[in-house]
Amino acid sequence: EDQVTQSPEALRLQEGESSSLNCSYTVSGLRGLFWYRQDPGKGPEFLFTLYSAGEEKEKERLKATLTKKESFLHITAPKPEDSATYLCAVQAGSSGANSKLTFGKGITLSVRP
Amino acid sequence: DAGVTQSPTHLIKTRGQQVTLRCSPKSGHDTVSWYQQALGQGPQFIFQYYEEEERQRGNFPDRFSGHQFPNYSSELNVNALLLGDSALYLCASSLATGGYTFGSGTRLTVV
Repeated sequence: EDQVTQSPEALRLQEGESSSLNCSYTVSGLRGLFWYRQDPGKGPEFLFTLYSAGEEKEKERLKATLTKKESFLHITAPKPEDSATYLCAVQAGSSGANSKLTFGKGITLSVRP
Repeated sequence: DAGVTQSPTHLIKTRGQQVTLRCSPKSGHDTVSWYQQALGQGPQFIFQYYEEEERQRGNFPDRFSGHQFPNYSSELNVNALLLGDSALYLCASSLATGGYTFGSGTRLTVV
């Protein structure tokens, strides 16, 4: 069974204090690893998809990396508007491009001004 | 271009009642998936519909059922509601080639 574990559960940063969020996973034949941002009471908003170990993607202050066992979401010089819950999900290759996503519990990030 | 639209946004039901949630997919998307997100948890996959048929199903009881219409919109039905069914229900649409877009969800409270 596919499993995703995210750590820490919550993270408090000062504005400008860089840090990393961790996502460890076990999956039979990884098709893709996804990062989403979720604001309170809203649906997940897509950030990145990573497909193979060694791949990296960047968007503004965020950078996602992938190894065979885990992924990191690096946040550089965060701002208060980066405060949200960050979800990691894996997709196994067995059922094709539309196979279900298995999510972790998420990491709640708070950035203080 | 409208994204995924879900209705209603909130509702309150009593234990034992039945509820129907609705989802209109993003324009051009033909596949709809439903997820349940309990407070403080990540979304859990309920089922997926494509070509008006259930294609994949997660570990949810038969009280959870769904339907997809010819215009690709979808409904999620839950019978005999339990307190534990209280959650945010998310609809995600996609193409057969993948790429999910999530709606803002329906917040269901069972009292």
